Amino acid sequence: EVQLVESGGGLVKPGGSLRLSCAASGFTFSRYAMIWVRQAPGKGLEWVSSISSNSAYIYYAASVKGRFTNSRDNAKNSMYLQMNSLRADDTAVYYCARDGVGATALFDIWGQGTMVTVSS
Amino acid sequence: QSVLTQPPSASGTPGQRVTISCSGSSSSFGSNYVYWYQQLPGTAPKLLIYRNNQRPSGVPDRFSGSKSGTSASLAISGLRSEDEADYYCAAWDDSLSGPVFGGGTKLTVL
Repeated sequence: EVQLVESGGGLVKPGGSLRLSCAASGFTFSRYAMIWVRQAPGKGLEWVSSISSNSAYIYYAASVKGRFTNSRDNAKNSMYLQMNSLRADDTAVYYCARDGVGATALFDIWGQGTMVTVSS
Repeated sequence: QSVLTQPPSASGTPGQRVTISCSGSSSSFGSNYVYWYQQLPGTAPKLLIYRNNQRPSGVPDRFSGSKSGTSASLAISGLRSEDEADYYCAAWDDSLSGPVFGGGTKLTVL
């Protein structure tokens, strides 16, 4: 079964750090670009970061650039999001998704999401 | 504020046809495809329409998409109660080197 499973969410204080993981199974992970998308409570979807299949290209939304680091380990079929200097407005459900084509908005497989709460 | 503009809400009765609009800029819509996602309550988004008007396997043909210039629309015919969800349009934005999403439209089946 093609599947993405996020983990690592939780409660963290403002200024703190958290590392999210996205574990892939059921497809050849190394062939696909991947993305992180977040959704604040009661709000819409917001793209966070994209990483190409071989990590050669990594892009970030302006809201997280300089604070978040996207990486992947194709040998472990996993993608990671290191989040530093967290702020209250980073509170959201974070989804990882498979980028079906690259440089499009075709995200054909999504994880169930992991909740990140930034609060003192 | 989202780069792509959608109405915040839409509604219809069972069996009716409803449309949801999405408008963008030349950097997002110009020559790029539009995609639609359905998010049922408490679940992850699901790809509904790709490349403006294509349906992934398993998506009923009651769902259709179209694009013209810097506007796109999602049409749902034969509305059913299980269609009650949030719908998001999305497109690649050349200026951002990333995708942009609409603010979402909450569809209510009356």
